[in-house]
Amino acid sequence: GENVEQHPSTLSVQEGDSAVIKCTYSDSASNYFPWYKQELGKRPQLIIDIRSNVGEKKDQRIAVTLNKTAKHFSLHITETQPEDSAVYFCAASNPHTGTASKLTFGTGTRLQVTL
Amino acid sequence: NAGVTQTPKFQVLKTGQSMTLQCAQDMNHNSMYWYRQDPGMGLRLIYYSASEGTTDKGEVPNGYNVSRLNKREFSLRLESAAPSQTSVYFCASSEVRDRGNYEQYFGPGTRLTVT
Repeated sequence: GENVEQHPSTLSVQEGDSAVIKCTYSDSASNYFPWYKQELGKRPQLIIDIRSNVGEKKDQRIAVTLNKTAKHFSLHITETQPEDSAVYFCAASNPHTGTASKLTFGTGTRLQVTL
Repeated sequence: NAGVTQTPKFQVLKTGQSMTLQCAQDMNHNSMYWYRQDPGMGLRLIYYSASEGTTDKGEVPNGYNVSRLNKREFSLRLESAAPSQTSVYFCASSEVRDRGNYEQYFGPGTRLTVT
């Protein structure tokens, strides 16, 4: 089955700096890669996702890049703010229309943005 | 729209006791999932239901059973609880549409402690 590795496990940056979180996956059939943000005591929420036919996707201060050849994808957060402090999870899946989207998650990165 | 709801929010069990975690969604999604979240291990899929009437094992199904009661409800049962099942349990739902919307929506979680 799919195996997703995520690094680093913790990341501390100063407000305004950039943060990068990296993930690798093992199953070449995976073609959907979401990123979830989980604040302390809350549920995971999708912040951005990318499909295998796209190399990069951006949404305001958040961007995700995908390298299918190397089987890795990354989350980039620019101009970090204190409210970006949370645990971030990457995941991989091979969904098909009309079927379940089984996600395999990485182990998470705790991002702390300091003032 | 309440989204995905879970009951109870907290539960303490003694080893060997049984209980059922309830999950319901009001988004008319076909697919539903149960995950457990343990420190340092991310979210791991226990069982999922691609559509009403079907259920399948995920990554860590041992010690659990599920029931897809109808399109809205998906329950998780622990027949004989063990301390290793102490965890936070999340239910999620998704709809894999033709346009490729694979987002999973999570419930607020159930924090279970087995003593």
